[in-house]
Amino acid sequence: EADIYQTPRYLVIGTGKKITLECSQTMGHDKMYWYQQDPGMELHLIHYSYGVNSTEKGDLSSESTVSRIRTEHFPLTLESARPSHTSQYLCASSHKGVSYNEQFFGPGTRLTVL
Amino acid sequence: AQKITQTQPGMFVQEKEAVTLDCTYDTSDPSYGLFWYKQPSSGEMIFLIYQGSYDQQNATEGRYSLNFQKARKSANLVISASQLGDSAMYFCAMREGPSTNFGNEKLTFGTGTRLTIIP
Repeated sequence: EADIYQTPRYLVIGTGKKITLECSQTMGHDKMYWYQQDPGMELHLIHYSYGVNSTEKGDLSSESTVSRIRTEHFPLTLESARPSHTSQYLCASSHKGVSYNEQFFGPGTRLTVL
Repeated sequence: AQKITQTQPGMFVQEKEAVTLDCTYDTSDPSYGLFWYKQPSSGEMIFLIYQGSYDQQNATEGRYSLNFQKARKSANLVISASQLGDSAMYFCAMREGPSTNFGNEKLTFGTGTRLTIIP
């Protein structure tokens, strides 16, 4: 069973607020990812990291930013939330040499911006 | 062009019957991996099964099997003896490039199939 955690699970917030979505994993995985998923739709990669101090933008443009100061922690920040940011955000991690290099996902954060 | 295509937005299947979820993919890379994930209503993504492009045999994991037809670029998921707990969204995903290369773990997902098991 994967040990990857996301907080908060649900967040309702007003326009213009700064928010940080937390993601932590206890598996020592080097690679971590953030996906955005609208209800009933596919996942889109918005950020990923190869390891500490490494961050890259994904295939879908996003106004969010990420940081990777510790291996186990990969937070996502929105400086000024807008209604268009309403979505589910899923964090994942993977590690070369572990099984099929499959990505293990956290439970997600459902964000609603009013 | 879509890299992963799932043509069944929704399916209804009687409990205990087998079900096939379709997935076709598009890549020019000879080395790739195909994944199936299950997403219950709670939102998390659960890894089900993996097929590598060079694997000679179709992957199997318990009640899940993957019908891999390389020439047709299809990787259909077969669930045998369906159960009520199988009701969920199912996503097919692809990694292009060999898994041993640095940074090649990015996945492209299809739009998913919502499977509903009827008692």
